[in-house]
Amino acid sequence: DVKVTQSSRYLVKRTGEKVFLECVQDMDHENMFWYRQDPGLGLRLIYFSYDVKMKEKGDIPEGYSVSREKKERFSLILESASTNQTSMYLCASSRDGESSPLHFGNGTRLTVT
Amino acid sequence: GQNIDQPTEMTATEGAIVQINCTYQTSGFNGLFWYQQHAGEAPTFLSYNVLDGLEEKGRFSSFLSRSKGYSYLLLKELQMKDSASYLCAALDSNYQLIWGAGTKLIIKP
Repeated sequence: DVKVTQSSRYLVKRTGEKVFLECVQDMDHENMFWYRQDPGLGLRLIYFSYDVKMKEKGDIPEGYSVSREKKERFSLILESASTNQTSMYLCASSRDGESSPLHFGNGTRLTVT
Repeated sequence: GQNIDQPTEMTATEGAIVQINCTYQTSGFNGLFWYQQHAGEAPTFLSYNVLDGLEEKGRFSSFLSRSKGYSYLLLKELQMKDSASYLCAALDSNYQLIWGAGTKLIIKP
């Protein structure tokens, strides 16, 4: 079974802090994604990556950056956390191929105060 | 614009059948996914449809009509553990997923 592990389940940070969310997958998947999930909204794609050192902006990249130095690890960085970035962050991975489903981590609930 | 519509919440009785509808408007179409998400947990994959028709997988079935931009997820013999949110997501012409807001399904004994 694919395992996608997010480093923290809950995080509380202060406004202006730099925040790192880590994600690791163990199935050699090419593709990795970062989403945020807010009540009443569909999942919104922040960034994704199809290969090591490669990144693409999603629908809401502002205020975020990512890093993929190794195939199994995809990090999301909040350069200067703001209260409107309080959310559930979900990492996912998938194989190449349009019908390949996403495998999600358990999420990191980030609160910015 | 691209859009996915699904009901916000549905209630059903244990042992019964429920159908969760999803309509989509996307720039091109390359398939539709259903995911299940229990409260506080990660979404998990249920089904993928790209051709018209019904795909059955145990108690769960998923239907697609490409001409109508419509899909449904059918859950039979409902169990209390089926209480969850069900997410519909369509793959557009750029192979990007467009997500619905999810349908919260409440099962009553």
